[in-house]
Amino acid sequence: SHVLTQPPSVSVAPGQTARITCGGNNFGSKSVHWYQQKPGQAPVLVVYDDSDRPSGIPERFSGSKSENTATLTISRVEAGDEADYYCQVWDSDHVLFGGGTKLTAL
Amino acid sequence: QVQLVQSGAEVKKPGASVKVSCKASGYTFTRYALHWVRQAPGQGLEWMGWVNAGTGYTKYSQKFQGRVTITRDTSASTAYMELSSLTAEDTAMFYCARESFSRNDHWGQGTLVTVSS
Repeated sequence: SHVLTQPPSVSVAPGQTARITCGGNNFGSKSVHWYQQKPGQAPVLVVYDDSDRPSGIPERFSGSKSENTATLTISRVEAGDEADYYCQVWDSDHVLFGGGTKLTAL
Repeated sequence: QVQLVQSGAEVKKPGASVKVSCKASGYTFTRYALHWVRQAPGQGLEWMGWVNAGTGYTKYSQKFQGRVTITRDTSASTAYMELSSLTAEDTAMFYCARESFSRNDHWGQGTLVTVSS
């Protein structure tokens, strides 16, 4: 079965670019979605179908995908972007979440 | 606007069951699936299962198979998640989330379930 691997933490200085990876075993045609979760809050969808943004999500959030790695890129990181980020795919009628990455703005 | 409102916090004893509700509004309930996700304190998101709100079809994670039951009441636009044989390891926040084309585009506020003797 599919397993999604994320780095536990990523740290960047404010104003810099953060890249959070999600390693999979041949994403193929699977769509990758990304969620942001701030402390004490429910997750929020920030990127869907690999690279699309829901309305209301800043253009600073973008996504990309290769055969085995999906990447969430956050440009010009702000203090308010500090959160846990999770990737997610469908696999054979089941949902898989990555383990999550804690983004810290140093 | 789409809203998912979950029932309130619960405290249960080990071995008991808990049933959490998720009331949907702002969209046609039967046109979307609803998922349930568990998050233990300080841990990541863990998918439990989903229900097709239109047909009632369900699919569960192998980890929770046999212990979780997800149902829906179309007349009340509400989905339910019941988890049985609770242990301390089930102490967690439980979320419902609407699914649209494989992504969870709206989430409930979460329901904290505490299992303690």
